[in-house]
Amino acid sequence: QQQVRQSPQSLTVWEGETAILNCSYENSAFDYFPWYQQFPGEGPALLIAIRSVSDKKEDGGFTIFFNKREKNLSLHIKDSQPGDSATYFCAASDNNNRIFFGDGTQLVVKP
Amino acid sequence: AQTIHQWPVAEIKAVGSPLSLGCTIKGKSSPNLYWYWQATGGTLQQLFYSITVGQVESVVQLNLSASRPKDDQFILSTEKLLLSHSGFYLCAWSPLGEGEQYFGPGTRLTVL
Repeated sequence: QQQVRQSPQSLTVWEGETAILNCSYENSAFDYFPWYQQFPGEGPALLIAIRSVSDKKEDGGFTIFFNKREKNLSLHIKDSQPGDSATYFCAASDNNNRIFFGDGTQLVVKP
Repeated sequence: AQTIHQWPVAEIKAVGSPLSLGCTIKGKSSPNLYWYWQATGGTLQQLFYSITVGQVESVVQLNLSASRPKDDQFILSTEKLLLSHSGFYLCAWSPLGEGEQYFGPGTRLTVL
């Protein structure tokens, strides 16, 4: 059973638009939710993260909206730029040194 | 600042041959260390984690083993490679007691 699910699998937006990436999870014990950005051939980079006690986290042009009751969250990328084109992974952890990743959303930002 | 180094950058090996991949963390004492495997275009699968020298926990069985011989070093190995071992191997670290993980640049393994 997949613990973390992401949608859409791929997303194309125009430069300047807001990209919205969705994530849902199964385990109510998860309390930490990081998002990672990965470019081809590189390791993932931690982008932004939220803990389950919060419902929103902002950092620059990135915002996480978190709904604990519905067990879902979303990453909003405001004013998307071509340089934001990458694969984005949602992950979830229960702080027992186990972290579960979704299958990723491949974002393409067209100029 | 902390730096994470993985070696080799890439490796091409024959089925049945042994393998050893390494990871070193500099600038952080007693980090938690992790190994991940990623198929091309796929998700990240956690393989092992270690919270202290000499102690390694296995998350999934893929005919691989891991060891932590020093506080700043994590080794992934196998005596006999399978075709299914091909992929991208990533090492990561996290501050003790924290949730965030920081990944290394990865090692691309091709098994022929």
